[in-house]
Amino acid sequence: DAKTTQPNSMESNEEEPVHLPCNHSTISGTDYIHWYRQLPSQGPEYVIHGLTSNVNNRMASLAIAEDRKSSTLILHRATLRDAAVYYCILRDVNGAGSYQLTFGKGTKLSVIP
Amino acid sequence: NAGVTQTPKFRILKIGQSMTLQCTQDMNHNYMYWYRQDPGMGLKLIYYSVGAGITDKGEVPNGYNVSRSTTEDFPLRLELAAPSQTSVYFCASSYSIERGTNTGELFFGEGSRLTVL
Repeated sequence: DAKTTQPNSMESNEEEPVHLPCNHSTISGTDYIHWYRQLPSQGPEYVIHGLTSNVNNRMASLAIAEDRKSSTLILHRATLRDAAVYYCILRDVNGAGSYQLTFGKGTKLSVIP
Repeated sequence: NAGVTQTPKFRILKIGQSMTLQCTQDMNHNYMYWYRQDPGMGLKLIYYSVGAGITDKGEVPNGYNVSRSTTEDFPLRLELAAPSQTSVYFCASSYSIERGTNTGELFFGEGSRLTVL
């Protein structure tokens, strides 16, 4: 499976934008980039996903590099509720293991009031 | 919809005891999964199922068994509990990948915290 690399932790001030990076230099052409987040003492929840183009939804934006070897999850205005561990995951929809999502350690985001 | 429901939320076991973690979903998802999460770590896949009657091993299946007799239920059984199985267990479900406009996103339960002493 293609791997992702994320910083262990990041800090942001409340109401400031946050850019969470993810490197995936061995990404294949059929890998989708998924982001999940895990709030304290909860199960992970889906945030956003994309293939090649930038994506927006009510929670966040996903910016994907032109060569697809990196991506950035953007939270436009961090709130205290956004303090969580964010996981960047590659998912090959054509592969036999397309349902086996691999959650690494992710990036722990702290939001400072 | 209740989503994914796990029981129990907390359990303490003695070494060698057995137990079953229950998981049920009401979203008619065909895929279901069991993950474990050790303190400060990411999630590791234990077992998964792509439909009723079909199960397969994930990354860390040793010491566990599963069954999938219905679409809704996916229980995880621990036989001969060991301290190494102390962890938080998450059940999840999803539709097939990218079916129609579906994102294939996983929906997780709240977790079951298991301690083996």
